[in-house]
Amino acid sequence: EVKLVESGGGLVQPGGSLRLSCAASGFTFSTSEMNWVRQAPGKGLEWVSYVTGSGKTIYYADSVKGRFTISRDNANNSLYLQMNSLRAEDTAVYYCAKKFAARSYHMDVWGKGTTVTVSS
Amino acid sequence: DIQMTQSPSSVSASVGDRVSITCRASQGVSRWLAWYQQKPGKAPKVLIYEASSLQSGVPSRFSASGSGTDFTLTISSLQPEDSASYYCQQATTFPLTFGGGTKVEIK
Repeated sequence: EVKLVESGGGLVQPGGSLRLSCAASGFTFSTSEMNWVRQAPGKGLEWVSYVTGSGKTIYYADSVKGRFTISRDNANNSLYLQMNSLRAEDTAVYYCAKKFAARSYHMDVWGKGTTVTVSS
Repeated sequence: DIQMTQSPSSVSASVGDRVSITCRASQGVSRWLAWYQQKPGKAPKVLIYEASSLQSGVPSRFSASGSGTDFTLTISSLQPEDSASYYCQQATTFPLTFGGGTKVEIK
């Protein structure tokens, strides 16, 4: 079964840091391009970051550039999102999502999400 | 950035009705457009990719069309389990962008 399981969410004060993890199973993680997508309470979906299978190509949304870092450990089938200088507007459910294998940059497998709350 | 605009933002329809949702891109995305369904408290699920390709396992009452800047998702005969939010996403250019969503409710 293809599966993504996020962890690491929680309550953090503004300016603080948090590291999210995503454990992948059921597919060849090392060749899969991966994304983080978030959803603020009651709002729509917002793409956050993307990384290729090798980790060599990375993109970020402008809203998180310079504060968030995506990385991966292919030996352990894991994806990460290091979030620094957190703001109230980063409060959201964060989803790990696998990119479809072919040309289209849509996401065909999603985790259940982990909740990040930034509040004092 | 490519802006994605969905309409309507919400729709209420009866079981068996035909429901259509539109998505407009601020610039052409060819056929690189996906549609997702999201139920409350759940992760999004892809329904359609490459504008009109049905994801495996998705009921055939879901269909979609379009290319360039204008796209449509259609539910041919609305079912109670289709009550959800629906999002389009352009799948060709970073930053990847989603439409604002359409909430489909059952009357």
